[in-house]
Amino acid sequence: GQQVMQIPQYQHVQEGEDFTTYCNSSTTLSNIQWYKQRPGGHPVFLIQLVKSGEVKKQKRLTFQFGEAKKNSSLHITATQTTDVGTYFCAADSGNTGKLIFGQGTTLQVKP
Amino acid sequence: DAGVTQSPTHLIKTRGQHVTLRCSPISGHKSVSWYQQVLGQGPQFIFQYYEKEERGRGNFPDRFSARQFPNYSSELNVNALLLGDSALYLCASSLQGAGEQYFGPGTRLTVT
Repeated sequence: GQQVMQIPQYQHVQEGEDFTTYCNSSTTLSNIQWYKQRPGGHPVFLIQLVKSGEVKKQKRLTFQFGEAKKNSSLHITATQTTDVGTYFCAADSGNTGKLIFGQGTTLQVKP
Repeated sequence: DAGVTQSPTHLIKTRGQHVTLRCSPISGHKSVSWYQQVLGQGPQFIFQYYEKEERGRGNFPDRFSARQFPNYSSELNVNALLLGDSALYLCASSLQGAGEQYFGPGTRLTVT
């Protein structure tokens, strides 16, 4: 079945450093979503990417969707302690809302 | 407006028992999905319901079942509980199924 691989599994950074997590799918996707889950919390929607090569920005967060619609990335510029949490990509191959989540990247930020 | 609500918050069951988890979607949302999240992993899709009809099912055994009611709330039932069913069960609602999913706080199930 469809698989979504996400790397790295963990990332420890000093506050102010940048952070990037990568997501790869075994199949072409209709869209890809990104979620953030704080420790002890639930996933919270960040963004959805639909178009090939799409780039979207939310303040210090930059999201990219690959040209082949099989990979995506999330880049955080100048991390802050409030960025701590696990970031998940979630693939929706048929635009049905049935999401296949990656394993997540857990970000720790040292002040 | 209230977000997605789930009950109970925590639950401890013994192997072989059954459990019912409940979810109320955001007002106006007609689709509810259920996910299982084992510690350290991403959520895994179990079911999706839209307008009381099952729209999709993940790779889970028949011990797992669900339904959606006329008011769009939903129940997830798990029979013959196994230790491996211990997880956080998340409910997510959306307007029509696709797009942004709004997750509830989850039910933490522990099977002993």
